[in-house]
Amino acid sequence: AQSVSQHNHHVILSEAASLELGCNYSYGGTVNLFWYVQYPGQHLQLLLKYFSGDPLVKGIKGFEAEFIKSKFSFNLRKPSVQWSDTAEYFCAVTPDTGRRALTFGSGTRLQVQP
Amino acid sequence: GAVVSQHPSRVICKSGTSVKIECRSLDFQATTMFWYRQFPKQSLMLMATSNEGSKATYEQGVEKDKFLINHASLTLSTLTVTSAHPEDSSFYICSARDPGQGQETQYFGPGTRLLVL
Repeated sequence: AQSVSQHNHHVILSEAASLELGCNYSYGGTVNLFWYVQYPGQHLQLLLKYFSGDPLVKGIKGFEAEFIKSKFSFNLRKPSVQWSDTAEYFCAVTPDTGRRALTFGSGTRLQVQP
Repeated sequence: GAVVSQHPSRVICKSGTSVKIECRSLDFQATTMFWYRQFPKQSLMLMATSNEGSKATYEQGVEKDKFLINHASLTLSTLTVTSAHPEDSSFYICSARDPGQGQETQYFGPGTRLLVL
């Protein structure tokens, strides 16, 4: 079975700071990778996804993530955060076969201070 | 993007009663829906996979007689928490896979907060 680790549980940044959130997964086969965001009081929204091809994927709101297969990582980045980026961020993975159910990481709470 | 709704958004019930939560895909047909549970300040844990026209697939440790899932149509899946107890209090979230967006993309509902007294 697959698993996902997010090592940063709570990150506090000032506006305009750069962001990188770590995500590592374990699975023996091909995976699809996702980052979801949950703003306070709102439902999960897809930020970006990686299925195949260019390992650097760009998502909404200026976010990007890089898939490094050798490191089993899919870190999320944003060069300059805004106060409105304050939210919970979840990395998730599905195997490329079968039911394709999502396995989520524990989440990272990002707090951006104005 | 695709829209998934859940009803009710929150429910308070007495211990021993049953509660039904609905999950609807509003602008696409979903052959597969998923049910998750999220505890405060924790991640989502997959409970079961709901397949239209067939039995749900439950994750290990999830009681199928406790959490009844019915996927009666391509746009509706229901989760019934039977004989609810305080430990069932949680945030229940459904997601639906939009086949038109590829097998891998899921869209999430806004969640249902259940409080069992």
